[in-house]
Amino acid sequence: DVKVTQSSRYLVKRTGEKVFLECVQDMDHENMFWYRQDPGLGLRLIYFSYDVKMKEKGDIPEGYSVSREKKERFSLILESASTNQTSMYLCASTTSGTRYEQYFGPGTRLTVT
Amino acid sequence: KQEVTQIPAALSVPEGENLVLNCSFTDSAIYNLQWFRQDPGKGLTSLLLIQSSQREQTSGRLNASLDKSSGRSTLYIAASQPGDSATYLCAVRDTDKLIFGTGTRLQVFP
Repeated sequence: DVKVTQSSRYLVKRTGEKVFLECVQDMDHENMFWYRQDPGLGLRLIYFSYDVKMKEKGDIPEGYSVSREKKERFSLILESASTNQTSMYLCASTTSGTRYEQYFGPGTRLTVT
Repeated sequence: KQEVTQIPAALSVPEGENLVLNCSFTDSAIYNLQWFRQDPGKGLTSLLLIQSSQREQTSGRLNASLDKSSGRSTLYIAASQPGDSATYLCAVRDTDKLIFGTGTRLQVFP
């Protein structure tokens, strides 16, 4: 079974702190994604990566950066956390080729106070 | 720009009913369509994936169909159970990204 893990289920940070959210997948997937999910707004893509050291902006990249130094690990970085970044953050990875099935981690509920 | 819509937004049914969830998309040029289930406060679990060349996929009590020309997919749940209560999301693959609908929140009561 594909397994996508996220470093924390719940996280509370203060405004202005630098926040790291980590995601690891164990299925050798090339593609990895970071989303945030908010009530009424659905899932919104922040960044994705289709290879090590490669990254692409999604729909809402402002205030975020990412790092992918190893194939299995994709990190989301909030350089200076703000209260409007309080959200559920979901990481996903995708099989390559024609199937392209997406698998999600359990999510990190981030609260910025 | 691809848009994905799910109607209804919420559905409440008694246990045992067969039900249909709907997913519509505006651009028929999709690679595939995936159905997910999400329990409160959790991540998404993949249920079924239909490639653009396929018409339907089945897994247990779930059957998903795809009609690209009309821009529609349905998720059929047979003999619903309280454990099926969750939010169901569909997503279409648009090149290298998935475009998600906002989901249908399903409650199955005993």
